[in-house]
Amino acid sequence: SQTIHQWPATLVQPVGSPLSLECTVEGTSNPNLYWYRQAAGRGLQLLFYSVGIGQISSEVPQNLSASRPQDRQFILSSKKLLLSDSGFYLCAWSVRGGGSGYTFGSGTRLTVV
Amino acid sequence: SQQGEEDPQALSIQEGENATMNCSYKTSINNLQWYRQNSGRGLVHLILIRSNEREKHSGRLRVTLDTSKKSSSLLITASRAADTASYFCAPMSSGGGADGLTFGKGTHLIIQP
Repeated sequence: SQTIHQWPATLVQPVGSPLSLECTVEGTSNPNLYWYRQAAGRGLQLLFYSVGIGQISSEVPQNLSASRPQDRQFILSSKKLLLSDSGFYLCAWSVRGGGSGYTFGSGTRLTVV
Repeated sequence: SQQGEEDPQALSIQEGENATMNCSYKTSINNLQWYRQNSGRGLVHLILIRSNEREKHSGRLRVTLDTSKKSSSLLITASRAADTASYFCAPMSSGGGADGLTFGKGTHLIIQP
């Protein structure tokens, strides 16, 4: 069966420090991969999506970047965190070709202090 | 993909009652999906209804779709305390949705014991 792993679950980082969040998917090949952010009291904002290794599309210009070094690995990074980067980060995958639901990870609560 | 707008923003009912929440969207769709998010957790895919379907059931969930009105509704029958969560709709336009689902602010449902 397919599973998605996202870590860490919580993270407290100082302003200006780097960030690396990792997401891996098991039990499927060639998934579409997504990073979302949910700020307090707000909806989910799509940050990045990827349809293949090395293929990253950005939805919102910001302080973050994403990479997909392997088929089932999706990494969210920042060189220097801002206070506004605080939020709940969710990774998700869907079947290539679409038409099906998304499976979300359990999320990372990032607090930038 | 386009964003759905959930209504109401908040709903509080007694345990055992039925809960109905609505979703509106703007342009034609391939399918529409509903998700649940418990506090501090990732989203869980509940049900997907295709554009050529008018109603779909899954356990205590009933989803309807009216493409002429560009609207959908989610009915939860015989609500339980565990149904307390935020509910999101996600219309998926044609093209498979590889470019990411877009979520609104959701309906925050509270089931009073």
